[in-house]
Amino acid sequence: NAGVTQTPKFQVLKTGQSMTLQCAQDMNHEYMSWYRQDPGMGLRLIHYSVGAGITDQGEVPNGYNVSRSTTEDFPLRLLSAAPSQTSVYFCASSYKNQPQHFGDGTRLSIL
Amino acid sequence: AQSVTQLDSHVSVSEGTPVLLRCNYSSSYSPSLFWYVQHPNKGLQLLLKYTSAATLVKGINGFEAEFKKSETSFHLTKPSAHMSDAAEYFCVVSPTSGTYKYIFGTGTRLKVLA
Repeated sequence: NAGVTQTPKFQVLKTGQSMTLQCAQDMNHEYMSWYRQDPGMGLRLIHYSVGAGITDQGEVPNGYNVSRSTTEDFPLRLLSAAPSQTSVYFCASSYKNQPQHFGDGTRLSIL
Repeated sequence: AQSVTQLDSHVSVSEGTPVLLRCNYSSSYSPSLFWYVQHPNKGLQLLLKYTSAATLVKGINGFEAEFKKSETSFHLTKPSAHMSDAAEYFCVVSPTSGTYKYIFGTGTRLKVLA
């Protein structure tokens, strides 16, 4: 049972480049979310989804897009990378009100 | 609105002494509450959860937490710290009816001294 799988684990981008962070879960969870973690700021919610075809914004959505075409996958797209998006990104999934399961994170640096 | 406050950003204890990590919450409903641990360069791992059954909750690695509604607290404790407990700990409130957002505390970094 793989749980929540995030790829890649590390990535370096140049300012202005675009990329997609992948997230997949095999637990049939309806709820999935993306967070970014920065020193001293805990985890901040970027976007979340409560089921296939349904997404909504979190507290820091600017510069990011998401889609949810299947229950299993919830990719996060950076449209035009900026140095302020240097962070560690976590994907999580759960049933509603149940504990979230987290991936191991993607460490992203924007030069 | 819901909120979570972790009262200490850093806690240092000596190996073998008790651990206390404090968490206060605010919620209009009876919440579900969780504690997670994050070791360096790792994802978040669930330590324990409170979901309105027993108020004293036992988790993994000897940790436990007590839900106190009158004090709106959910403090994490362990009788005897081990070097491997050094990590960051997060207190989390689950979404209430009609919302889908989990509320995270800002974390407490636990240092264990030899």
